[in-house]
Amino acid sequence: AQSVTQPDIHITVSEGASLELRCNYSYGATPYLFWYVQSPGQGLQLLLKYFSGDTLVQGIKGFEAEFKRSQSSFNLRKPSVHWSDAAEYFCAVGTGTDKLIFGTGTRLQVFP
Amino acid sequence: DTAVSQTPKYLVTQMGNDKSIKCEQNLGHDTMYWYKQDSKKFLKIMFSYNNKELIINETVPNRFSPKSPDKAHLNLHINSLELGDSAVYFCASSKTGSDSPLHFGNGTRLTVT
Repeated sequence: AQSVTQPDIHITVSEGASLELRCNYSYGATPYLFWYVQSPGQGLQLLLKYFSGDTLVQGIKGFEAEFKRSQSSFNLRKPSVHWSDAAEYFCAVGTGTDKLIFGTGTRLQVFP
Repeated sequence: DTAVSQTPKYLVTQMGNDKSIKCEQNLGHDTMYWYKQDSKKFLKIMFSYNNKELIINETVPNRFSPKSPDKAHLNLHINSLELGDSAVYFCASSKTGSDSPLHFGNGTRLTVT
């Protein structure tokens, strides 16, 4: 069955530090992969997506993610975190139907 | 203009009551969804509709009944509310196809007392 694992429930970084949020997926075919961000009291906003082609994808707000088929991973990165990046981050995989499978989320806290 | 709007934002009600949540999208998308986010932030799909037709029904209790009067609207009616129904319910829409990203509303926080 398709699944998405985000091993880190909660991550704390200092403002200006680099960030990597981990995501591993389980899916038999080439997946469609997404990262979403949820600010408190808000819906989810798409950060970036991977369908095919270049395995390093750029998203909004300075985020990027790299698809590694050999590791079944799609980790999200940002070179320098801003305080406004504090939020909940969700990785998701498209399953070939109209259904997205979401990971359990990683809560990012940013200290000044 | 809000792309996906849902009302109300907050809903507090007692067990046994019936309530509805409304959702509208102005993106011209063919597919609309309801997701439930529990207290641990876990997001799970409940329903999806494509052009007013039910596509996905993820073993949700019969007390939950979605209704899509047209492809821009997907409402969720809940009968006989239970404590366990307390959650945040998100409406979303997308173009058809699993490669299409979802556009989410801001959620409805339902509290059943």
